[in-house]
Amino acid sequence: KAGVTQTPRYLIKTRGQQVTLSCSPISGHRSVSWYQQTPGQGLQFLFEYFSETQRNKGNFPGRFSGRQFSNSRSEMNVSTLELGDSALYLCASSQGTGANVLTFGAGSRLTVL
Amino acid sequence: TQLLEQSPQFLSIQEGENLTVYCNSSSVFSSLQWYRQEPGEGPVLLVTVVTGGEVKKLKRLTFQFGDARKDSSLHITAAQPGDTGLYLCAGLPRAYNTDKLIFGTGTRLQVFP
Repeated sequence: KAGVTQTPRYLIKTRGQQVTLSCSPISGHRSVSWYQQTPGQGLQFLFEYFSETQRNKGNFPGRFSGRQFSNSRSEMNVSTLELGDSALYLCASSQGTGANVLTFGAGSRLTVL
Repeated sequence: TQLLEQSPQFLSIQEGENLTVYCNSSSVFSSLQWYRQEPGEGPVLLVTVVTGGEVKKLKRLTFQFGDARKDSSLHITAAQPGDTGLYLCAGLPRAYNTDKLIFGTGTRLQVFP
């Protein structure tokens, strides 16, 4: 079956702009988690959605938001982009909530100029 | 301060050598997972260890969970260029009453032919 699909794979934005990233989980998976990966901080948890509800949220400012649709697809949005938001944004899906087996997508690499 | 510290941070070895990667914490974990992330891809789950003292083998990879469930190690025998990648440990810290995975700082392994 198809894996976790993230789009776009690469994008370049400038400071102050906003960006929306998309994640399609594995069919049948209802939980979607988002992580930010940077060389300095590693993998940092952003948020988790299950059945269209945010279950967990990491320590990121309110500029970072997300949502999940009824088909389990998820989007995350970052508004008023800063240089420090440059990172690889990873989405992971699992059948249930919490730390089940996570299947990651290939990520969306965001560069903020 | 990172909850899960991995060492070494970088490792560059020749094909055929053995190596060990460590994942340490001062906190007790309910379980620990190991992931490998190749360039341009998301992390892929290798193994989950649950019981203190548990040892799991995956071909040339041996994973061990510490007796006190505060640390874990990954030993690779006769490393091959295909083992190249970023190795991440991740776990559920019991004291934090959370069901979201905490990721380690990562070990970047390069195996030269």
